[in-house]
Amino acid sequence: EDQVTQSPEALRLQEGESSSLNCSYTVSGLRGLFWYRQDPGKGPEFLFTLYSAGEEKEKERLKATLTKKESFLHITAPKPEDSATYLCAVQKRGGNKLVFGAGTILRVKS
Amino acid sequence: DTAVSQTPKYLVTQMGNDKSIKCEQNLGHDTMYWYKQDSKKFLKIMFSYNNKELIINETVPNRFSPKSPDKAHLNLHINSLELGDSAVYFCASSQAPFGETQYFGPGTRLLVL
Repeated sequence: EDQVTQSPEALRLQEGESSSLNCSYTVSGLRGLFWYRQDPGKGPEFLFTLYSAGEEKEKERLKATLTKKESFLHITAPKPEDSATYLCAVQKRGGNKLVFGAGTILRVKS
Repeated sequence: DTAVSQTPKYLVTQMGNDKSIKCEQNLGHDTMYWYKQDSKKFLKIMFSYNNKELIINETVPNRFSPKSPDKAHLNLHINSLELGDSAVYFCASSQAPFGETQYFGPGTRLLVL
């Protein structure tokens, strides 16, 4: 069965303190790995899609990377507005549903 | 303009009632989805429609019935509501069924008393 595990469950950072979130997955044939950001009371907001090992995508202070077993979301010099839950999801080849992890709750204090 | 919209935003109802949630997307996408986010924040797929045809039907009680009147709309009707149905329900859409980014609506918070 396809599985996505995110760690840590929660992360507290000081403003400017860089860190990484982890998403490890088991899926029979990966079609794509997706990162979303979810603010309280809102729907998930799309950040990145990664399709193959070695691929990297960047957006402002965020950089997502992909290996054959896991993905990292690197946050460089975070700001309080980066506080949110970050969700990772996988889609397997030939399927269209997303299988989500439980998310990492990020809090950035000024 | 909101890309994926849902109504209502909040729904509080009694056990045993029947209720509907509506979803509309103005992105011109062919595929739409319903997801459920429980109290532990896990998002799980319930249904998916492509061009008004059902293509995913996960293990969901028969009390849940999706209906897609056209490509831009996907509604969710729930019969005989139970306490365990309390959750946040998200609608999403994508250009095509496979490998495409899914865009989510703001969610409908359902509370069954």
